[in-house]
Amino acid sequence: GAGVSQSPRYKVAKRGQDVALRCDPISGHVSLFWYQQALGQGPEFLTYFQNEAQLDKSGLPSDRFFAERPEGSVSTLKIQRTQQEDSAVYLCASSTQAPGTEAFFGQGTRLTVV
Amino acid sequence: QKEVEQDPGPLSVPEGAIVSLNCTYSNSAFQYFMWYRQYSRKGPELLMYTYSSGNKEDGRFTAQVDKSSKYISLFIRDSQPSDSATYLCAMKRTGGFKTIFGAGTRLFVKA
Repeated sequence: GAGVSQSPRYKVAKRGQDVALRCDPISGHVSLFWYQQALGQGPEFLTYFQNEAQLDKSGLPSDRFFAERPEGSVSTLKIQRTQQEDSAVYLCASSTQAPGTEAFFGQGTRLTVV
Repeated sequence: QKEVEQDPGPLSVPEGAIVSLNCTYSNSAFQYFMWYRQYSRKGPELLMYTYSSGNKEDGRFTAQVDKSSKYISLFIRDSQPSDSATYLCAMKRTGGFKTIFGAGTRLFVKA
């Protein structure tokens, strides 16, 4: 596709469930970012990949959050044992430059933990 | 105190007005300054990207950075109803991976 694609668009999880959120960046983009956006707030940085290397994971809120990009293209953000405070929109962005700017964002995955 | 402060609004203006959106910041290491537009239930869209101080113009949009005052602005000329969205300022330091976003200002342009 022409843009950054995220799936699913919406996810409802019961508290304690594990979830996996997928990001397909624009083909050939070196940099990939994950952000968390709470309602009425700006996005907050979670983690950054340059190709397959995770160079910054300082924004991951706890060890329940894990991200990977094994082949330097598709990335998955996994949240284990979800809690209500994990409810948010999770955004993925990609860029041709390294580290570059978050030039292209996906539409996000809206996670609701009940 | 947050690193980036942005008035959440909402800001309501008539069609054709000049809109001024602003952010202040505290970290003098920031060198890259961005403005994003975000429509409801969509991802942010990069509008303007500026390095260090100065002005940058693109069509109806002008971005200004005043590093001495730690203050950035986005001006929208001849505003249109289609400009109604949330505008996010964002900034990053040289060599850094993390972008810090403001909370966003909701703008409504009335026809």
